[in-house]
Amino acid sequence: DAGITQSPRHKVTETGTPVTLRCHQTENHRYMYWYRQDPGHGLRLIHYSYGVKDTDKGEVSDGYSVSRSKTEDFLLTLESATSSQTSVYFCAISESRQYGYTFGSGTRLTVV
Amino acid sequence: EDQVTQSPEALRLQEGESSSLNCSYTVSGLRGLFWYRQDPGKGPEFLFTLYSAGEEKEKERLKATLTKKESFLHITAPKPEDSATYLCAVRRDGGSQGNLIFGKGTKLSVKP
Repeated sequence: DAGITQSPRHKVTETGTPVTLRCHQTENHRYMYWYRQDPGHGLRLIHYSYGVKDTDKGEVSDGYSVSRSKTEDFLLTLESATSSQTSVYFCAISESRQYGYTFGSGTRLTVV
Repeated sequence: EDQVTQSPEALRLQEGESSSLNCSYTVSGLRGLFWYRQDPGKGPEFLFTLYSAGEEKEKERLKATLTKKESFLHITAPKPEDSATYLCAVRRDGGSQGNLIFGKGTKLSVKP
């Protein structure tokens, strides 16, 4: 998607290993979000950021941490991956709380 | 508890057969209702934002409406390319409450 890139697109990892997903934006938007999408649950917010080094938890934050050292990058880290974290992860950006989000293309993560 | 419920879960239409998707919500302090389209393997794509009861938005064959308790996405004379999952989300007022809450989506299939 224009202006927002997620990497990697696909990843298979073993239980107990650390994993970092990257979201990169070129829109200079203040707000960035990490969601996970699972069948039967829809999109659920993991963490979000409202500025450089300003982050907060969402509804499903256990087992995840985030960092935002630059406006353009928002990293999601699974400290010790578990099978329950197998999911599709989406990053989103927004210029303001008033506006809708622009989503990336997603990262499909499989924990075996 | 704030909730967003979409119905039906799945809808199969013939090309040209108009119908509506429903999004009902129970949130305190609604600050916007958003509709997205999601194609398989891709991130959600923004369609509309509605802010107040009685408001309507249109885009090609799609028309979104909003009441105090629900929103409808009307699809007029759909084509096969309208096949996708349609997501509804609401934004509440203030702080972390201002992040979007998503419904589980309606999967629309339009057959030629």
